[in-house]
Amino acid sequence: GNSVTQMEGPVTLSEEAFLTINCTYTATGYPSLFWYVQYPGEGLQLLLKATKADDKGSNKGFEATYRKETTSFHLEKGSVQVSDSAVYFCALDSGGGADGLTFGKGTHLIIQP
Amino acid sequence: SQTIHQWPATLVQPVGSPLSLECTVEGTSNPNLYWYRQAAGRGLQLLFYSVGIGQISSEVPQNLSASRPQDRQFILSSKKLLLSDSGFYLCAWSLWGQYEQYFGPGTRLTVT
Repeated sequence: GNSVTQMEGPVTLSEEAFLTINCTYTATGYPSLFWYVQYPGEGLQLLLKATKADDKGSNKGFEATYRKETTSFHLEKGSVQVSDSAVYFCALDSGGGADGLTFGKGTHLIIQP
Repeated sequence: SQTIHQWPATLVQPVGSPLSLECTVEGTSNPNLYWYRQAAGRGLQLLFYSVGIGQISSEVPQNLSASRPQDRQFILSSKKLLLSDSGFYLCAWSLWGQYEQYFGPGTRLTVT
């Protein structure tokens, strides 16, 4: 079956540091890949996505590249801010959109000023 | 633009009591609808999804049920809550043929 593995954290960084959150996946076929962000007490917000190999998703300074050869979709940001503190979820969809997403367990990111 | 609503935002219920959580979507027609549960320290678990009125698929056997009485309304229910039902319940929607899902603000359920 499908699965997503990501570093759980918490990951603690100083403001302006470089961020990488690793995500690898197992899936049949050619899944679409997503990063979602969850701020405290809120629902999930779609951060970025990629639908095919070598696609790069980007939003709000975050980037992730769909690497089929390594089955990875690592999230990066060049300079983090305190406001980036949240839980980040990697997810995939290989069911044509109707069957729901498969999520990783989430990575808690803490940015210190 | 589309919006998704969930209520209540928080709920504290005793063991054995019934449950009804509601989710509605505005600004779109015939969405796919989903219920997820997020337990503390865990990722999201898909509970139910629906591709149309009255069409419900269950992913996990449990004492919860879901119904879709109207196109943009999705209800999560239980006749008798268990302690293990505590968690953060999220409703989401997507359009047919699109992979991304959009989430509501969630309901925090505590069963005591």
